[in-house]
Amino acid sequence: EAQVTQNPRYLITVTGKKLTVTCSQNMNHEYMSWYRQDPGLGLRQIYYSMNVEVTDKGDVPEGYKVSRKEKRNFPLILESPSPNQTSLYFCASSSLRDRGLETQYFGPGTRLLVL
Amino acid sequence: LAKTTQPISMDSYEGQEVNITCSHNNIATNDYITWYQQFPSQGPRFIIQGYKTKVTNEVASLFIPADRKSSTLSLPRVSLSDTAVYYCLVGGAAGNKLTFGGGTRVLVKP
Repeated sequence: EAQVTQNPRYLITVTGKKLTVTCSQNMNHEYMSWYRQDPGLGLRQIYYSMNVEVTDKGDVPEGYKVSRKEKRNFPLILESPSPNQTSLYFCASSSLRDRGLETQYFGPGTRLLVL
Repeated sequence: LAKTTQPISMDSYEGQEVNITCSHNNIATNDYITWYQQFPSQGPRFIIQGYKTKVTNEVASLFIPADRKSSTLSLPRVSLSDTAVYYCLVGGAAGNKLTFGGGTRVLVKP
């Protein structure tokens, strides 16, 4: 079954404690992306990756890191989480075509609470 | 960077047609327009995508005028299960950021 998986689905942590949210897709997609979703602000892109070892900043990259060492995985790293990073996070993947992206497939979301 | 604007919410009744317009004045030449549906606690799900003119699939139609500065998602004969938030997304040209609109909360009433 084609899917995007995220782990963990729920996480409570404390300020400053490094954490990683994993994202994996089984569709051989080139493009992967992380979004955060906050009430009243919709979905905002954090980072995206066009392919292995190619990453770029989205609209809200501050406080986050990503890596793309393998095509299927795109972990989101919070080196020193702060309460303003409490949010719902979505990973998405898509294939690339000549003129742009195909439709994005989204993961189920990771709800993060930073105390 | 293409910014998008959508109505915050709209109500409808079962069996009616719902039209949601998204404004994207700064759309780039290579940008596509994509609409997603999102239910609570779930990831967004693709509805339809277009570049210009009209696109239709089994669930919706997408109307894009010649200047591409706006687009309208049309949901024919909505049912209660169409109650959701609908997002307009502009972008997709290789290397571009993707910008979601703020979403339109559609409530379908019996």
